[in-house]
Amino acid sequence: DAGVIQSPRHEVTEMGQEVTLRCKPISGHDYLFWYRQTMMRGLELLIYFNNNVPIDDSGMPEDRFSAKMPNASFSTLKIQPSEPRDSAVYFCASSFNTVADTQYFGPGTRLTVL
Amino acid sequence: DQQVKQNSPSLSVQEGRISILNCDYTNSMFDYFLWYKKYPAEGPTFLISISSIKDKNEDGRFTVFLNKSAKHLSLHIVPSQPGDSAVYFCAASDGNYGGSQGNLIFGKGTKLSVKP
Repeated sequence: DAGVIQSPRHEVTEMGQEVTLRCKPISGHDYLFWYRQTMMRGLELLIYFNNNVPIDDSGMPEDRFSAKMPNASFSTLKIQPSEPRDSAVYFCASSFNTVADTQYFGPGTRLTVL
Repeated sequence: DQQVKQNSPSLSVQEGRISILNCDYTNSMFDYFLWYKKYPAEGPTFLISISSIKDKNEDGRFTVFLNKSAKHLSLHIVPSQPGDSAVYFCAASDGNYGGSQGNLIFGKGTKLSVKP
């Protein structure tokens, strides 16, 4: 398996623009997680899905953030409108089970909002 | 308020010596702990884990120790190698992944540099 795939790897956009980050989890994994990494807050869980259903989105910072998982092999994280403080590295991870199982992370998307 | 704390942002160790990375937590409900390693421009990768029913778990050069009474865990790398240079994240969960609890809470990471 190719592992968790994220695209794009880098995104530079201007404040106010819509940003869409994409993730393809490892085939057969039932859980998908979106994380954000910043210097100030470290690695934070934004939302996670189980069998394509959002289970906990309490980490999503604001209504400007939304995530979807239309099928088992694809998820998006959208920011609209984007702001400079959204600049961070966004990771997607997937796991077969939950805590008892290892989470496999993608390479991340480095987002810069000017 | 951070529930998982890695108070040392960086650590430098000589090759062949022991590296000790520390992690403290505040939530007594945490019962499962993990260490992830992250190289630049890559996602974190799982390294080793420990359940709260144990106080030690070993995997090759890596050993994790858990002191529940002190709410402290540590990762020992012996002997350290230059390839171990990376950022190490401690993570914890209470295992109740069905609701608002049970999320994997990460520390901010410790950057380990192993010098040849």
